[in-house]
Amino acid sequence: DAKTTQPPSMDCAEGRAANLPCNHSTISGNEYVYWYRQIHSQGPQYIIHGLKNNETNEMASLIITEDRKSSTLILPHATLRDTAVYYCIVRSKLTFGTGTRLQVTL
Amino acid sequence: GAGVSQSPRYKVTKRGQDVALRCDPISGHVSLYWYRQALGQGPEFLTYFNYEAQQDKSGLPNDRFSAERPEGSISTLTIQRTEQRDSAMYRCASSLAWNTEAFFGQGTRLTVV
Repeated sequence: DAKTTQPPSMDCAEGRAANLPCNHSTISGNEYVYWYRQIHSQGPQYIIHGLKNNETNEMASLIITEDRKSSTLILPHATLRDTAVYYCIVRSKLTFGTGTRLQVTL
Repeated sequence: GAGVSQSPRYKVTKRGQDVALRCDPISGHVSLYWYRQALGQGPEFLTYFNYEAQQDKSGLPNDRFSAERPEGSISTLTIQRTEQRDSAMYRCASSLAWNTEAFFGQGTRLTVV
């Protein structure tokens, strides 16, 4: 799997958009970008994935730059329940890095 | 099944004993992954299978750890001669194909005393 770089932590006010960045400059042409999150001690939860086009689902949007070297996960209206560690993964064998700890506050 | 099932949910074992952790993936899922997660850390990749073939075992810490998936469905992670440092949450995930979303089980909490 290509290496990813994420900020260790971020804060976001409830109701605002949370924008979580990820750098993956060594991504290869057929590798997808996946986002998972882990809330407290639960198992990781799939959020969204994409190859080169921007993607949106009921949970989030994924913006991938044209050169595919970075991406941003957007939670449009963050709630307290979105507080979690968010992992950006460039997918071959599904290797997790250290992720970003997102704290949503009132 | 409805989701990935792992058993047992909790296992306490004495140092030096062997343990076998079971993962029952979602029916029809080709890929199966094993992870170890220490408290406060992210999941650490151990190994993964496509069907019955072990594709990558580079994450297994040492030769006390092994995994198999003989019929391409249920998988067993075995730890021989357990040590206290093996205490962790062991998680299994499965995906329909190598490049589709993976679903995680509830995990097995292993405590070696």
